[in-house]
Amino acid sequence: DAMVIQNPRYQVTQFGKPVTLSCSQTLNHNVMYWYQQKSSQAPKLLFHYYDKDFNNEADTPDNFQSRRPNTSFCFLDIRSPGLGDAAMYLCATSRVTGVVSGANVLTFGAGSRLTVL
Amino acid sequence: AQKVTQAQTEISVVEKEDVTLDCVYETRDTTYYLFWYKQPPSGELVFLIRRNSFDEQNEISGRYSWNFQKSTSSFNFTITASQVVDSAVYFCALSGGGTGRRALTFGSGTRLQVQP
Repeated sequence: DAMVIQNPRYQVTQFGKPVTLSCSQTLNHNVMYWYQQKSSQAPKLLFHYYDKDFNNEADTPDNFQSRRPNTSFCFLDIRSPGLGDAAMYLCATSRVTGVVSGANVLTFGAGSRLTVL
Repeated sequence: AQKVTQAQTEISVVEKEDVTLDCVYETRDTTYYLFWYKQPPSGELVFLIRRNSFDEQNEISGRYSWNFQKSTSSFNFTITASQVVDSAVYFCALSGGGTGRRALTFGSGTRLQVQP
């Protein structure tokens, strides 16, 4: 089945130790998103890629970076994780023709749960 | 600014009961989209429905139905004859209709527990 796969499902890191989360998709969707979901809170968009174009949300901390080496893969890098970065990180994809708009339906992965010690 | 309010933090029902999840939204956009997503214990958000602001027709899909009322800025979700598999967190979300308005504004979610 075509899907969005995130690895690892669970990641434990130490305060300040860089971590990379990965997302792959077999849907051939051209837009990939990263959302952060803290415990019992709503998901919050960090950034998205439209093809190779990176779009950062204004309030996303510089500590969060992303890479998209090809259509299928997208990575989330957290350069120096703090305790406040402990969360579920959700990758999502969307097939967009034209411009990204609010109408787009997203397909989500199962998430990567990050614990910071 | 956009805002989505899901006042019910957690609801517990017994199997076969009907349950309604409330969603109230705020937006200044005249064109906007409303969504419901389901997040089961496995974690992935699953798309359930999308409505645009110009389509106020209620929709029914099997045991699921949605009531969209612009007059009260509400987009409520009803599950008829609930089942244990319906247990999940349900998110209502809103996005603007303009191009480039890519971020979904999610509500805080309602956790539904269906007891056997």
